[in-house]
Amino acid sequence: DIQMTQSPSSVSASVGDRVTITCRASQGIASWLAWYQQKPGNAPKLLIYTTSSLQTGVPSRFSGSGSGTDFTLTISSLQPEDFATYHCQQSKSFPLTFGGGTTVEIK
Amino acid sequence: QLQLQESGPGLVKPSETLSLTCTVSGGSISSTSSSWAWIRQPPGKDLEWIGNIYYSGSTNDNPSLKSRVTIFVDTSKNQFSLKLSSVTAADTAIYYCARYSRSLGYFDYWGQGTLVTVSS
Repeated sequence: DIQMTQSPSSVSASVGDRVTITCRASQGIASWLAWYQQKPGNAPKLLIYTTSSLQTGVPSRFSGSGSGTDFTLTISSLQPEDFATYHCQQSKSFPLTFGGGTTVEIK
Repeated sequence: QLQLQESGPGLVKPSETLSLTCTVSGGSISSTSSSWAWIRQPPGKDLEWIGNIYYSGSTNDNPSLKSRVTIFVDTSKNQFSLKLSSVTAADTAIYYCARYSRSLGYFDYWGQGTLVTVSS
């Protein structure tokens, strides 16, 4: 199985800050990586797929990059509605696997 | 707008079988570009993929669940279902159904999730 490791597990930030979250795969996954945002009591919401493609309707302050084993999700200017937990997910091979999540908290 | 809705018992006894159904509305479950997934999340913990099913009935599931999983589809009802046998407290989780893009590898539509508690 491909293990996905996210860091940090949590980050405290202020509105307007630039936030970067990292996801590392235990083996190469090319660009087969997606990012999701999850707020308490809600299902995850797709933000980015194939590493850097923005899902329709997602604000452009979200961006993704990377390839192989190392990937990042960047929020360029944190907004109040962005405080949430973010998950990465690989689709290079079955079983599909998720990272452990990164919680973005209000500083 | 595609919508998915999970249904089933919220309480299951240990050693029994958990059964959930996902009803898809606003689109066809027979889409050739999609498969249909079950994902779970124990309270406060990580997401775990359980398995996918294509409208033809072909499946992929997570070996970590040790063959306890059965996923099947009913195209006439636009539904797919999950059975998880021999449950224990470790199977207590929010269970989500979702649509999976077969070509791009992401889950783009999710149900709201249903909490299933395993307890006597």
